[in-house]
Amino acid sequence: TQLLEQSPQFLSIQEGENLTVYCNSSSVFSSLQWYRQEPGEGPVLLVTVVTGGEVKKLKRLTFQFGDARKDSSLHITAAQPGDTGLYLCAGDPHSGYALNFGKGTSLLVTP
Amino acid sequence: ETGVTQTPRHLVMGMTNKKSLKCEQHLGHNAMYWYKQSAKKPLELMFVYSLEERVENNSVPSRFSPECPNSSHLFLHLHTLQPEDSALYLCASSQGMNGAKAFFGQGTRLTVV
Repeated sequence: TQLLEQSPQFLSIQEGENLTVYCNSSSVFSSLQWYRQEPGEGPVLLVTVVTGGEVKKLKRLTFQFGDARKDSSLHITAAQPGDTGLYLCAGDPHSGYALNFGKGTSLLVTP
Repeated sequence: ETGVTQTPRHLVMGMTNKKSLKCEQHLGHNAMYWYKQSAKKPLELMFVYSLEERVENNSVPSRFSPECPNSSHLFLHLHTLQPEDSALYLCASSQGMNGAKAFFGQGTRLTVV
């Protein structure tokens, strides 16, 4: 199993602040996905990155895939309470049948 | 509407009960998955089905028994579970077997008493 380490584990910020969360591995992935999960719900796919160095933007969210395809970051600008949730990264392994998930970053944005 | 529907959303069962979890996907995908999500742990892959054939059983105890009657439906049959099996059970589907761009259901919150 290719391990994914996410940091920080918990993050509590106020509305309007910026933040970055990280997803790191010693393994190379074909692609990497980011999901957001709200309490009691399933993860919802936000983005897939496939090319080393790739940057994707989704409104106030910016996702970057590392040049070596071993790590990724998610930057949120001007966070809002609706951004609250568990952010999961998941890597597509070269072998095996399913994604490898990190433990997630739990984000709380207070008004 | 996520395209992947799980029922029931919540389930409380005794250790001697038999119950089943159901998953249905409306996305035309050819692979389906069961994951277990426990507190403070990464999502754990349990089973993978591709075109109704089980291709991976990730060392899951035999008290969990999956069934995939067709490419749109997936079941997880439960019997003689333990309290430590209490968790959120998530179904997912994808086009292709590597799980990339997997879409998840809302999960079944299972409590074993």
